[in-house]
Amino acid sequence: GAVVSQHPSRVICKSGTSVKIECRSLDFQATTMFWYRQFPKQSLMLMATSNEGSKATYEQGVEKDKFLINHASLTLSTLTVTSAHPEDSSFYICSASVVRGNQPQHFGDGTRLSIL
Amino acid sequence: GDSVTQMEGPVTLSEEAFLTINCTYTATGYPSLFWYVQYPGEGLQLLLKATKADDKGSNKGFEATYRKETTSFHLEKGSVQVSDSAVYFCALRIRGYQKVTFGTGTKLQVIP
Repeated sequence: GAVVSQHPSRVICKSGTSVKIECRSLDFQATTMFWYRQFPKQSLMLMATSNEGSKATYEQGVEKDKFLINHASLTLSTLTVTSAHPEDSSFYICSASVVRGNQPQHFGDGTRLSIL
Repeated sequence: GDSVTQMEGPVTLSEEAFLTINCTYTATGYPSLFWYVQYPGEGLQLLLKATKADDKGSNKGFEATYRKETTSFHLEKGSVQVSDSAVYFCALRIRGYQKVTFGTGTKLQVIP
């Protein structure tokens, strides 16, 4: 089945640093990747939709200068949390899909980001 | 807009009990319906799906039937195990669109 790899799985860093999270589709070409944020005991909040070779589309209320998304190839998208602060601490999950029929999204295992 | 409503959890069951997690939806177009499962500290895994009315999705003993007339996609399992303890998300995706709309998730706890 389709596999999405997300790295790193856990990050702990100081306030003010930037953190990059990678999302890779290992056995298929993902024309679209999604980035979600999940707060404790809550559902997934879609942050942005990333299409290969074009700018990401951000959801309302998500700061595009804070959360930089790059989708340089059909198998890799990155999310960079710039100048991270404690309120950015969260669980970030990526997913990937192909534009074909009604294929479901396939999710990475998530990244637990903790800003001290 | 599109929305998914799930029963609030947590749901606590004894091992081998029957499980139902209710899910209803509203959609602006023709949706495909999904159930995802999230184990502690992990991402989401697709559990099952149904792409048209009256389809039944099934996997690992779980089932859900796409009911267009009641706009529902309830998840069921005849005999739960401790290993089924997780959070379950109902979701929909409108045909021709990429975006997936999730419910709030229902936590299931199965006790021995």
